[in-house]
Amino acid sequence: AQSVTQLGSHVSVSEGALVLLRCNYSSSVPPYLFWYVQYPNQGLQLLLKYTTGATLVKGINGFEAEFKKSETSFHLTKPSAHMSDAAEYFCAVNPIRGGTASKLTFGTGTRLQVTL
Amino acid sequence: GAVVSQHPSWVICKSGTSVKIECRSLDFQATTMFWYRQFPKQSLMLMATSNEGSKATYEQGVEKDKFLINHASLTLSTLTVTSAHPEDSSFYICSARVPAGLAGLGEQFFGPGTRLTVL
Repeated sequence: AQSVTQLGSHVSVSEGALVLLRCNYSSSVPPYLFWYVQYPNQGLQLLLKYTTGATLVKGINGFEAEFKKSETSFHLTKPSAHMSDAAEYFCAVNPIRGGTASKLTFGTGTRLQVTL
Repeated sequence: GAVVSQHPSWVICKSGTSVKIECRSLDFQATTMFWYRQFPKQSLMLMATSNEGSKATYEQGVEKDKFLINHASLTLSTLTVTSAHPEDSSFYICSARVPAGLAGLGEQFFGPGTRLTVL
């Protein structure tokens, strides 16, 4: 079985400050890892994903995440927060590499608040 | 990029009626679509996996007679909430899996969601 833990259901940062959203996973096989963003009353938009290769992954809107196998983590960062980054962020894991039975397991989400 | 649409975006219905939600992949064929339910300020809960031309696979605890799923074509899956009750009120989101090789590794693209309110 696989699981995703997002530490901190709510994170508040000042505009221009570093954003760090934490994600740890548990999977019996090497996973694919994803970060999604959800704005109010909207679906999910993919920010970035890790599949293979370079462990530091760059995504849209200036976000990046680093896959650390030894720590089973995939934390999301952005050097400088913008007001428009305020949203709900979900980490997800797909433990079966692209197979037909693969399903995403989501974390509980972290709400990012950006203040002036 | 791959686009998934949902219709309607919101619906209000009376208790006891049935509501159909459509999920369409607009620019690709999706052999597999997923239906999720999201309660306020909570994560997405997978309800079922919908495969074109076959019966949907429901997650444990999801009533298949309550939530009817039809995946009649490679671009359309429907979720029908039968005899809806206020506890069925929720945000329903579908996703479509892109064939491996198109966007890489069977990535899922999500619809914008449907807000269902049952009075």
